Amino acid sequence: DQQVKQNSPSLSVQEGRISILNCDYTNSMFDYFLWYKKYPAEGPTFLISISSIKDKNEDGRFTVFLNKSAKHLSLHIVPSQPGDSAVYFCAAKNSGYALNFGKGTSLLVTP
Amino acid sequence: DTAVSQTPKYLVTQMGNDKSIKCEQNLGHDTMYWYKQDSKKFLKIMFSYNNKELIINETVPNRFSPKSPDKAHLNLHINSLELGDSAVYFCASSHRLAGPETQYFGPGTRLLVL
Repeated sequence: DQQVKQNSPSLSVQEGRISILNCDYTNSMFDYFLWYKKYPAEGPTFLISISSIKDKNEDGRFTVFLNKSAKHLSLHIVPSQPGDSAVYFCAAKNSGYALNFGKGTSLLVTP
Repeated sequence: DTAVSQTPKYLVTQMGNDKSIKCEQNLGHDTMYWYKQDSKKFLKIMFSYNNKELIINETVPNRFSPKSPDKAHLNLHINSLELGDSAVYFCASSHRLAGPETQYFGPGTRLLVL
């Protein structure tokens, strides 16, 4: 039973534009949400997170938005750079439990 | 220095064999994990250890046996390997399991069972 869903397997964006990656979840008990970035042949690396008590968290070019009523979160990357090309995983957890990951969205930023 | 390291990086073996994957973290974390990424790219938790004690054990065949000799190490032993065990196995660690703890991942071990 997949509790975290990333319905777009891939996304292509031009350099300098905004990348928007989406994620939906089904478990209302999740209280912490994270985005991980993964390059080929490497492990996922932590990018940004948000607590369920917030609706926005910003870190440089990366902003995560959380809409609890819709059980939806998104990651905005502005401006997108070619080095941002990677697979982005959305993850969620309920305190005391392990992370639940989405299937990932492959982002390609073209020059 | 690599924060979370795994060995080997690649493992090719025959069905029925027994193999082990090792994981070490030098972050001083109390909690370690094993995840499996299958051919459909799903990353799923297998086990979690906190201070050498098993905390999470998802629905994993008992051919898989984790062992934590100390807080910095979590090894994964797999008996009687099957074709369906082919996947990428990631080790991770965090300060603790509860709360908003970021997990740090190793580079993965690519297992191919022939």
